[in-house]
Amino acid sequence: AQTVTQSQPEMSVQEAETVTLSCTYDTSESDYYLFWYKQPPSRQMILVIRQEAYKQQNATENRFSVNFQKAAKSFSLKISDSQLGDAAMYFCAYRQNTDKLIFGTGTRLQVFP
Amino acid sequence: DAGITQSPRHKVTETGTPVTLRCHQTENHRYMYWYRQDPGHGLRLIHYSYGVKDTDKGEVSDGYSVSRSKTEDFLLTLESATSSQTSVYFCAIRAQDSRRTEAFFGQGTRLTVV
Repeated sequence: AQTVTQSQPEMSVQEAETVTLSCTYDTSESDYYLFWYKQPPSRQMILVIRQEAYKQQNATENRFSVNFQKAAKSFSLKISDSQLGDAAMYFCAYRQNTDKLIFGTGTRLQVFP
Repeated sequence: DAGITQSPRHKVTETGTPVTLRCHQTENHRYMYWYRQDPGHGLRLIHYSYGVKDTDKGEVSDGYSVSRSKTEDFLLTLESATSSQTSVYFCAIRAQDSRRTEAFFGQGTRLTVV
């Protein structure tokens, strides 16, 4: 069965600095999709970024970028120029061509002024 | 926001009583999911649906059943609620238009079983 592991329960960063959140996954598939979701205190789940496994180029969305290492099954999220509004729970998620969407246990990010 | 509504948003119920949570979408998306969120466990998949009357189990399906008689509605039923089912429940929907589409989530339902 596919699994997603986030080994950092909590992280902290100072405003304007850069932070990287880690995610590893286990799969025997070659074609799949990876996502990072943000959950602020409002509880709303917000998509931050996505990566298709067949693409070698790392996805980027403004201040958010990923380091996708397919052979190592690693999918880390880098947040540059951190802002107070980035404080939230961050979840890594995996989906292959079948229908299931599997999440990691999350990383709580604190941002200090 | 994606057209997805969960009801109720909050519920307190007694142990042993049946409970039904509703997920309603206006997007005509094929896929619908139910998750529960607990501290230290992230979001765990309970059941999901890939079409009307087509459902499958997730990783924590024991004690839960689902039904999807219409595209727009996906119901989650706790046949006999237990305190271990106290949690926040999320519904999600996903289109089949493209393989790259992400899932959109409802606002969540906080269920407390006393």
